[in-house]
Amino acid sequence: DTEVTQTPKHLVMGMTNKKSLKCEQHMGHRAMYWYKQKAKKPPELMFVYSYEKLSINESVPSRFSPECPNSSLLNLHLHALQPEDSALYLCASSQDPVGAGAKNIQYFGAGTRLSVL
Amino acid sequence: RKEVEQDPGPFNVPEGATVAFNCTYSNSASQSFFWYRQDCRKEPKLLMSVYSSGNEDGRFTAQLNRASQYISLLIRDSKLSDSATYLCVVNSRGSQGNLIFGKGTKLSVKP
Repeated sequence: DTEVTQTPKHLVMGMTNKKSLKCEQHMGHRAMYWYKQKAKKPPELMFVYSYEKLSINESVPSRFSPECPNSSLLNLHLHALQPEDSALYLCASSQDPVGAGAKNIQYFGAGTRLSVL
Repeated sequence: RKEVEQDPGPFNVPEGATVAFNCTYSNSASQSFFWYRQDCRKEPKLLMSVYSSGNEDGRFTAQLNRASQYISLLIRDSKLSDSATYLCVVNSRGSQGNLIFGKGTKLSVKP
């Protein structure tokens, strides 16, 4: 089972709203990731959690706030977003953040398609 | 030089054709290499890992040339369902799982 589950699938929010994206995996993976993907572009890394600790923040604006409550869950809290933040937000997980070969294959969830009005 | 470069295509091929994609990477320390497939408005899905010895999975063959720093994907007997964007992905050891994505090559298989 290589399933990463993301909720909600779609989200429409105003610029003053607060919302959260959720991601869950039960593969025992120790690394989890948030990516942002705009149309016709590759995914862009936002955050990496390694063993439940934030290890990489790719200079993401503070209106995006990640949280890792436990090894299976990853949240992305959204506040005061801008219309240009509209995108597909992808969560991924891998067995090991730095291992070689199969251990760092990343498995993606289906994503949350976010529209900011 | 971009970290991972791919020809964006589109590659428009008839069913049954053989098509090959190439990808180059700039970091000689890169350790892991993958091809992902992404359908329109869907998530990337792992197609195959790429090993130094080359590997084959059915109609798909991946090759890695470390000396020249390029990766290839060959698709034989193309099916309509192969239409997608193919992402070349590279990961460097010790990079904390930071996958470097190419911009993707779009393949369209026509009847």
